[in-house]
Amino acid sequence: DAGVIQSPRHEVTEMGQEVTLRCKPISGHNSLFWYRQTMMRGLELLIYFNNNVPIDDSGMPEDRFSAKMPNASFSTLKIQPSEPRDSAVYFCASSFSGELFFGEGSRLTVL
Amino acid sequence: GEDVEQSLFLSVREGDSSVINCTYTDSSSTYLYWYKQEPGAGLQLLTYIFSNMDMKQDQRLTVLLNKKDKHLSLRIADTQTGDSAIYFCAEDRKRGSYIPTFGRGTSLIVHP
Repeated sequence: DAGVIQSPRHEVTEMGQEVTLRCKPISGHNSLFWYRQTMMRGLELLIYFNNNVPIDDSGMPEDRFSAKMPNASFSTLKIQPSEPRDSAVYFCASSFSGELFFGEGSRLTVL
Repeated sequence: GEDVEQSLFLSVREGDSSVINCTYTDSSSTYLYWYKQEPGAGLQLLTYIFSNMDMKQDQRLTVLLNKKDKHLSLRIADTQTGDSAIYFCAEDRKRGSYIPTFGRGTSLIVHP
């Protein structure tokens, strides 16, 4: 298996633009997680899905952030409108009742 | 990450042992984890310990758990330059959830 695949790896955008980050989990995994990593706050869990259903989105910073998982092999994290303080590395991870497997991350820079 | 605390940096000489320390808050955590993040990569599970254990050894890695003090440590014997990375301590977000709440990570720098 290729592991968790995230795209884009890097994105630079201007404040106010919409950003969409994509994730393909490992086939057969039933849980998917979105984390955000910053120097100031470390690694924060934004939202996680179990069997494509959002279970806990209490970590989503505000209404500008939304996440979807339309099927077992794809998820998106959308920021609209983006702000400079959203600059971070966003990680997607998947699991099947145990160890989390992380993608390589999407580095977002909002100017 | 505010429920899990660890120092931000550790510098050691190649061949020495490294000890990375962590304190956590939730005494009901079923598992405690150590994840490793290499530059430009995602996190990988390095090892974990069940909460009813005091110690776990896996080749060069030794995990010690002090439940009374809520203290977890990771010892790396014979540290190599390839061990340079960020090491994250984590506890279960909710008991038995297998969803980790991470500390802010300790950057291990190994110099010749």
